[in-house]
Amino acid sequence: DQQVKQNSPSLSVQEGRISILNCDYTNSMFDYFLWYKKYPAEGPTFLISISSIKDKNEDGRFTVFLNKSAKHLSLHIVPSQPGDSAVYFCAASSKTSYDKVIFGPGTSLSVIP
Amino acid sequence: ETGVTQSPTHLIKTRGQQVTLRCSSQSGHNTVSWYQQALGQGPQFIFQYYREEENGRGNFPPRFSGLQFPNYSSELNVNALELDDSALYLCASSLLRGATDTQYFGPGTRLTVL
Repeated sequence: DQQVKQNSPSLSVQEGRISILNCDYTNSMFDYFLWYKKYPAEGPTFLISISSIKDKNEDGRFTVFLNKSAKHLSLHIVPSQPGDSAVYFCAASSKTSYDKVIFGPGTSLSVIP
Repeated sequence: ETGVTQSPTHLIKTRGQQVTLRCSSQSGHNTVSWYQQALGQGPQFIFQYYREEENGRGNFPPRFSGLQFPNYSSELNVNALELDDSALYLCASSLLRGATDTQYFGPGTRLTVL
């Protein structure tokens, strides 16, 4: 039973355009969401997070949007750069299980020069 | 400031054997979490240690056990290895307990069980 879903295994985008990565979750107890980026042969690195009391959080080229009623979040990267090519994981946690982070299966982003 | 390191990088074991994986936390971090990442999937939470005590556990059987030492380095032990244990094992350290503090991941140990 996958509680965090990323239904697009891969995505290709032209350099300079917007990349939109989507994530859906099923557990309504989730109240904190994170995005991690992973390059081959490296561990995931934290990118950006959002609390359920917000619907948007921005950090430079990266913006995360949260739609609680739809149990959906998205990561926007503008403009996309070749160095953004990586696997992106959406993750979630809840106050009732604050030690546990549940990851989605990931989306592989390729930014084409 | 050194990052999170893990050893070994790769490991091959046979079914039924036991394995110990090691993790060195980022300096000053007293919390470590272990994850299993199977091919094509996201990391799955195994357990978290905070100041040498298990702080939470995912859906993994008791043959997965851990230790955290006073210097906050950590071990993951897996007994009676099964073929399905083949995966990338990641450790992540953080300054605080809980999921809202940023976790810093090591590069992982690739375990193959034959």
